[in-house]
Amino acid sequence: DIVLTQSPVLAVSLGQRATMSCRASQSVSISSINLMHWYQQKPGQQPKLLIYRASNLASGIPARFSGSGSGTDFTLIIDPVQADDIAAYYCQQSRESPYTFGAGTKLELK
Amino acid sequence: QIQLVQSGPELKKPGESLKISCKASGYTFTDYAMQWVKQAPGKGLQYMGWINTQTGKPTYADDFKERFVFSLETSASTAYLQINNLKNEDTATYFCATGYWGQGTLVTVSS
Repeated sequence: DIVLTQSPVLAVSLGQRATMSCRASQSVSISSINLMHWYQQKPGQQPKLLIYRASNLASGIPARFSGSGSGTDFTLIIDPVQADDIAAYYCQQSRESPYTFGAGTKLELK
Repeated sequence: QIQLVQSGPELKKPGESLKISCKASGYTFTDYAMQWVKQAPGKGLQYMGWINTQTGKPTYADDFKERFVFSLETSASTAYLQINNLKNEDTATYFCATGYWGQGTLVTVSS
């Protein structure tokens, strides 16, 4: 199975940039298609798709969210961070079944 | 708008079975596969598998091959997750998702 590694916690100040990483144990890219997706989950709510295929903003998601990366290394950036962004963030790969999730990064206020 | 609406919370005893529904609206049901995801209390997301909504063929992650069944009622745009022989460790919130996510169904297993 492909293992996705995320840092457990990221502390950031409001208005600053938050950079979260997701590292895969093997490539999740096919040709130029990067099969990594990012979700936001607030307490008591279902996850919400933020970014699909590494860099594509999902419908209705603010432009302060962006994603990049290829192969095994992927990044989610929130710039600037707003209070409403305090949540857990998960990456998921769809390159190879099972389509595993990372353990999540909890975004906290510094 | 696209919505996935799941059935309500369940309280079950060990050994019992249950079936969770996930009703889709706002899009053509067979256009997107449906995945199922488990989230134990205070834990992260665990991929359970997916079902091909065109063929009905399910694919299960290793941890979910024994007691778990994915099914469809395509005419009703509904996907189902059945869990047999419930165990305490099945206590969790279960989500259906296509990109959009259902609101989750809390399953509590307790004697």
